[in-house]
Order: sequence, then C-alpha cells, then structure tokens
Amino acid sequence: EAGVAQSPRYKIIEKRQSVAFWCNPISGHATLYWYQQILGQGPKLLIQFQNNGVVDDSQLPKDRFSAERLKGVDSTLKIQPAKLEDSAVYLCASSPTGDYGYTFGSGTRLTVV
Amino acid sequence: GIQVEQSPPDLILQEGANSTLRCNFSDSVNNLQWFHQNPWGQLINLFYIPSGTKQNGRLSATTVATERYSLLYISSSQTTDSGVYFCAVFTSGTYKYIFGTGTRLKVLA
Repeated sequence: EAGVAQSPRYKIIEKRQSVAFWCNPISGHATLYWYQQILGQGPKLLIQFQNNGVVDDSQLPKDRFSAERLKGVDSTLKIQPAKLEDSAVYLCASSPTGDYGYTFGSGTRLTVV
Repeated sequence: GIQVEQSPPDLILQEGANSTLRCNFSDSVNNLQWFHQNPWGQLINLFYIPSGTKQNGRLSATTVATERYSLLYISSSQTTDSGVYFCAVFTSGTYKYIFGTGTRLKVLA
C-alpha cells in the first residue's frame, strides 16, 4: 500500500511570510495527525483529525497556525505569518484506529530566515 | 500530562557492540511504540509493545507496564542502526501518542 505522502519536501521562507503543507494519508485511515519536530527534540502533536473533525488542537498556536481536512482525506497545515521559531520538520501521520497502524510521512523541513 | 523520558540521550558504539535504550513514563499507558528516525528524518515503527517482550532480528523490546518503563535492545550493532530512537506512549485519556526525548545513536565502522 502507498504510504503517507507529504509535500513539499523542503521550504525556505522569510519571516512574516505564509506557507502551506499538504498531506495525503493512507487510504482508509480515519485519523490524521500533524506533528512539529524541532531540531534535537521529539515530535510534538499540533492537531489531530478524526475523519474531517478536529479531535485535539490544544497545542496548535491558533493565532498563526491553521489546519483543515476536507472530505476526511487530504489535509493542509498553514502558517501565517511565520516566525523564526517555526523552523522545524512538520510530520504528518495517519492511522486506521488510533493506536495501531500509525504511519508517518517523510515530513516537510521548514526553514524560516 | 504524562512525561516520557529516555536515556541515555547520546550513545556512540563500535560496530558489533550491543546496547540497551530505556524509556520511562510517568503514568499508565494503553500502548507504546519504539521508532527509529533515520538520518533523512523518516520515522520507522520498530515495535508496538504495551507489555511483554518482542523480538525482530537483532532488535528486541521489553515493556514492564506495572513499573512504567520499556527497554530496547540492539545486538551486534551496524552502521545502519545510526539515528535517533524514540519511544512514544498512547493513553486512552488523550487518544494520541506522546513522544519521548529520544536517544541519538551513532555506530562507528
């Protein structure tokens, strides 16, 4: 089966610009997660979707970050405006049930200059 | 919230050596995963191990849920084992995986 697809692979932007990341989960996976991984740290969950509804966005900086999952499939994570501290790898993961079958995409490495 | 700590933070081994990585967690969990993050950043699941012991080739893992820790054993290490190893715990209260701090492993040829 195809894995979790993410794009772009790399992105460099200036602070205060906006950026968007795209994720296509494994077909049939109801749960989708966006994680932020800052260099030297473990991934931190930003937002969790169950189908097209938000289950948990308690760690999402809502003044600048937004995410949507239209039709319960693809998802987009947006940052506007970006700050230097947003430089990180943004990982998307999906699972069919929640705790099993968890699969990560390759991530998008964002550098804010 | 639940705390997940890993030790050691860094580990350097000669090829062929064995190692043990530890993951401590502060509350009861429903599931636990070990991941390997390769130098290109890809996270690969190694084990789902909420309790007991599992083995896969040179790797094995043991979770003692009652004492809130898990161990990952790497035997006869190879240079391709280099990278960062994370444990992540899943609780029904949060319905998500919380990642540990990671162990950075470097295996020298």
